[in-house]
Amino acid sequence: EAGVTQSPTHLIKTRGQQVTLRCSPISGHTSVYWYQQALGLGLQFLLWYDEGEERNRGNFPPRFSGRQFPNYSSELNVNALELEDSALYLCASSLLYEQYFGPGTRLTVT
Amino acid sequence: AQTVTQSQPEMSVQEAETVTLSCTYDTSESNYYLFWYKQPPSRQMILVIRQEAYKQQNATENRFSVNFQKAAKSFSLKISDSQLGDTAMYFCAFMNRYYSGGGADGLTFGKGTHLIIQP
Repeated sequence: EAGVTQSPTHLIKTRGQQVTLRCSPISGHTSVYWYQQALGLGLQFLLWYDEGEERNRGNFPPRFSGRQFPNYSSELNVNALELEDSALYLCASSLLYEQYFGPGTRLTVT
Repeated sequence: AQTVTQSQPEMSVQEAETVTLSCTYDTSESNYYLFWYKQPPSRQMILVIRQEAYKQQNATENRFSVNFQKAAKSFSLKISDSQLGDTAMYFCAFMNRYYSGGGADGLTFGKGTHLIIQP
């Protein structure tokens, strides 16, 4: 069974730009979660999508947004990038309550 | 809001020894799940073990077991017969369970414990 996949693996952007990260869940999983793992801040919950709808979001500004498609894959969009957005962005999927993580996308903002 | 505290930033043990990682949490909820995740240098987060709050029996997965003390809000991970491949960051995580809509919310993580297994 294929695990959670994320693309791209690495990304370098300039401050003020916009970025889109992608996640494909495990087959059959309907929920997708996004997390930010930044140095010094640890792992923080960003967004939760289930059945195409945003169910909850963490304490992040509105420039962090996303969506979930009918095939349950998801995109995370970050607008007006700031230096502190540099982090590993992890996606996880679940069917019930166990979350399985992808390998992450490393975003560097310069 | 929930908080998860891991008081040991780093631990180092010899191969084959037993090691216990500590985790405490704070919540006003009664229905929740607790997890331990492992993140090796490859950075892929791997689910190690889970515990449902309503279950009194401690979860066990091969060499990994937990000591869940609900009243004390403590959830420690014991690794028996430690192996070199156990070297990783270990994160304790908390999740609320919502009955109304099913499913569960995002995870709240501790800061992690860097476990080093020495040969």
